[in-house]
Amino acid sequence: EVQLVESGGALVQPGGSLRLSCAVSGFTFSNYWMSWVRQAPGKGPEWVANIKQDGGEKYYVDSVKGRFTISRDNAENSLYLQLNSLRAEDTAVYYCARDKIEGATLFDHWGQGTLVTVSS
Amino acid sequence: DIQVTQSPSSLSASVGDRVTITCRTSQTINNYLNWYQQKRGKAPKLLISAASSLQSGVPSRFSGSGSGTEFTLTISSLQPEDFATYYCQQSDRAPLTFGGGTKVEIK
Repeated sequence: EVQLVESGGALVQPGGSLRLSCAVSGFTFSNYWMSWVRQAPGKGPEWVANIKQDGGEKYYVDSVKGRFTISRDNAENSLYLQLNSLRAEDTAVYYCARDKIEGATLFDHWGQGTLVTVSS
Repeated sequence: DIQVTQSPSSLSASVGDRVTITCRTSQTINNYLNWYQQKRGKAPKLLISAASSLQSGVPSRFSGSGSGTEFTLTISSLQPEDFATYYCQQSDRAPLTFGGGTKVEIK
């Protein structure tokens, strides 16, 4: 069974930092691109970033470029998102999602999400 | 960025009704269009990829069609478990973008 379990969400002050983790099991992690997708309260999902199988390619939505960093550890079957210089508008549930092997992106498995709240 | 517009934003329907949701993109996207279902408090679930490819385990009452810039999700006979919010998402080019959602409610 494919499982993705996020952790690391918290209440943090504006300007603060946080590291999210996603532990995966049930599939060969190193075969897949992986993504982070967030969803602000009452809003639709927003793709945040994705990373290639070997970590050699990374892409970000413009609103987080220079502040967030996606990474992975294939030996540990884990995906990470480092969030720096956090803003109120970054408040959301953050999901990790299994992305493609190749071709066009599709998010076919998701974690349960972890809540990041940015507030003073 | 490719803008994705869904319509309607909400609808009320009865069990057994045929429901159609439309997704329009601001540029031609080569059929790289996915549909998701999200229930309250849960992560989205992939229903259809590449405009019309039904995911394993998804009931056949769900279907997708369209090309270019206009796509549709159809539920042929609405069931009680289908009341949820539906999102389309384009994966033709980064940044990957979602539509604003269509909430399907009980009439």
